[in-house]
Amino acid sequence: NAGVTQTPKFRILKIGQSMTLQCTQDMNHNYMYWYRQDPGMGLKLIYYSVGAGITDKGEVPNGYNVSRSTTEDFPLRLELAAPSQTSVYFCASRVTGELFFGEGSRLTVL
Amino acid sequence: KQEVTQIPAALSVPEGENLVLNCSFTDSAIYNLQWFRQDPGKGLTSLLLIQSSQREQTSGRLNASLDKSSGRSTLYIAASQPGDSATYLCAVSHNQGGKLIFGQGTELSVKP
Repeated sequence: NAGVTQTPKFRILKIGQSMTLQCTQDMNHNYMYWYRQDPGMGLKLIYYSVGAGITDKGEVPNGYNVSRSTTEDFPLRLELAAPSQTSVYFCASRVTGELFFGEGSRLTVL
Repeated sequence: KQEVTQIPAALSVPEGENLVLNCSFTDSAIYNLQWFRQDPGKGLTSLLLIQSSQREQTSGRLNASLDKSSGRSTLYIAASQPGDSATYLCAVSHNQGGKLIFGQGTELSVKP
């Protein structure tokens, strides 16, 4: 099993550009999450999904969108990138207990 | 609204010392609590998961305790090693599969 795979690992965007962060898990987990982590801070939940076709907002959803068309994939879309979205983004998944994380995607908006 | 706090934000100890990391939460109606380790530039790795009905969990040199009534959890690391240097985060969940709410983490440095 590859676990949770995120792409890209690094990306630089210009203000106003859009992009999609990809997340795939091969563990057949129902629950998937997107977090962002800013320096010296804990993780803030952006969006989460309890299964294919079902998504919900977390603590900091503004400026982001998600979709969950399959169990495996949970892409995060950034529309009109802003400097405030410079962060490290983590995707995670689980069944009910232990949470498994990807390696993260480091995004810089200039 | 649940708030999770970890104190101290940073801790430096000499190799071989036993140490305790603290995690507190404001709403005691949790489903489970999880401790994670994060190395610089890396993702989070799960260390221990404690269900709300449990008092503690152990894995090797790590022992995590949970006191729901007081809203506290501790992570005990025995005989610390330089390889234990990392940031340790705790997170709570209020239901099965529910979102986790994280503390800010404690950055641990173990000096040789």
